[in-house]
Amino acid sequence: AQSVTQLDSQVPVFEEAPVELRCNYSSSVSVYLFWYVQYPNQGLQLLLKYLSGSTLVKGINGFEAEFNKSQTSFHLRKPSVHISDTAEYFCAVSDNTGGFKTIFGAGTRLFVKA
Amino acid sequence: DVKVTQSSRYLVKRTGEKVFLECVQDMDHENMFWYRQDPGLGLRLIYFSYDVKMKEKGDIPEGYSVSREKKERFSLILESASTNQTSMYLCASSPQKQGLNSPLHFGNGTRLTVT
Repeated sequence: AQSVTQLDSQVPVFEEAPVELRCNYSSSVSVYLFWYVQYPNQGLQLLLKYLSGSTLVKGINGFEAEFNKSQTSFHLRKPSVHISDTAEYFCAVSDNTGGFKTIFGAGTRLFVKA
Repeated sequence: DVKVTQSSRYLVKRTGEKVFLECVQDMDHENMFWYRQDPGLGLRLIYFSYDVKMKEKGDIPEGYSVSREKKERFSLILESASTNQTSMYLCASSPQKQGLNSPLHFGNGTRLTVT
């Protein structure tokens, strides 16, 4: 069965520092991978997605993620964060084994300090 | 831009009440979903639908039902609300019938409190 593990529940970081939010998944077949962001009092919006092809995926707001099949990881990175990046970030996976659905991780709360 | 609208941002109901959460999308998407979001648990799928009058159970369907009479509208029903159903409920939609590679478009959520 699919599962998604986000290794950090909270990540505090200073403004302009780099950040990496970690995500590991379990699936025995080809997967589609997503990162979503949720700002306070809002729904989730798509940051980036990996469907196939290049393992380095670029998204909105300067974020990127790298798909690593051997390590079953899809870590999210940004070289320099801003206060406005403070939000909760969710990693998600879908494949064709568990039926037609997307499974989400528990989320990582990124807190950017001045 | 896709717009997914949830009818209420905040809702307070009493134990045992029947509760309706409404969701409407304006982009002719085939697929619609209801998730609940709880701290430390992420999003868990309650029910989904890939066509009018069709519904499929997600991972936590107990205590819930759904209705999809029109393509743009997907309703979540709590037949008899209980305190353990206090949560944030998120509706989402996506195009392409049963397309796993389609990202989800979310509404802003309904925060339901059952007292």
